Amino acid sequence: SQQGEEDPQALSIQEGENATMNCSYKTSINNLQWYRQNSGRGLVHLILIRSNEREKHSGRLRVTLDTSKKSSSLLITASRAADTASYFCAAPPPREGGTSYGKLTFGQGTILTVHP
Amino acid sequence: DTEVTQTPKHLVMGMTNKKSLKCEQHMGHRAMYWYKQKAKKPPELMFVYSYEKLSINESVPSRFSPECPNSSLLNLHLHALQPEDSALYLCASSQAETGYEQYFGPGTRLTVT
Repeated sequence: SQQGEEDPQALSIQEGENATMNCSYKTSINNLQWYRQNSGRGLVHLILIRSNEREKHSGRLRVTLDTSKKSSSLLITASRAADTASYFCAAPPPREGGTSYGKLTFGQGTILTVHP
Repeated sequence: DTEVTQTPKHLVMGMTNKKSLKCEQHMGHRAMYWYKQKAKKPPELMFVYSYEKLSINESVPSRFSPECPNSSLLNLHLHALQPEDSALYLCASSQAETGYEQYFGPGTRLTVT
């Protein structure tokens, strides 16, 4: 089963607007990661948030994590046409001792389209 | 160098062919991964190599055979594939199998005819 489920499945906005994507997961996690994938290409790691963090920023990206609700959100501010891509959340399963396996399970993804 | 390279970019093969996909990284990463991705779906993990040893096989059919000749190279040998195996095959690497960020290659688009 998928660790992460994302919504919305698709999001269409105008350049300059903000885009928010949500991810919910089922089991405990040590960290949650967000990746971007341009059409038919490889994935690019955007940001990682650890389970003891609530919010993290990187440039125009803001990620929040609510472990009590088992959910995370990715906010892209002042979007650009170049942000058009699929966005996936992913989490590795924890193992005893506090580390994680390298096995990432991805959410279904949100397809973001930013119109110029 | 933070790049993972994959060859070939595109591959068309018949169901009786044998072919190989190649992946290379020079970041000193000790974990390498193969994923399969169908259109409009998330990547699905196939195999994980950690320190050149196979550590995870996600019940992948034996017509897919991974190989890790050294810490920089990862191969995926293909034999007797089915049309439903057509997909984008992604290779990734990470510092170790510790659940932190993975670096992905651009993928090989495989079509089985």
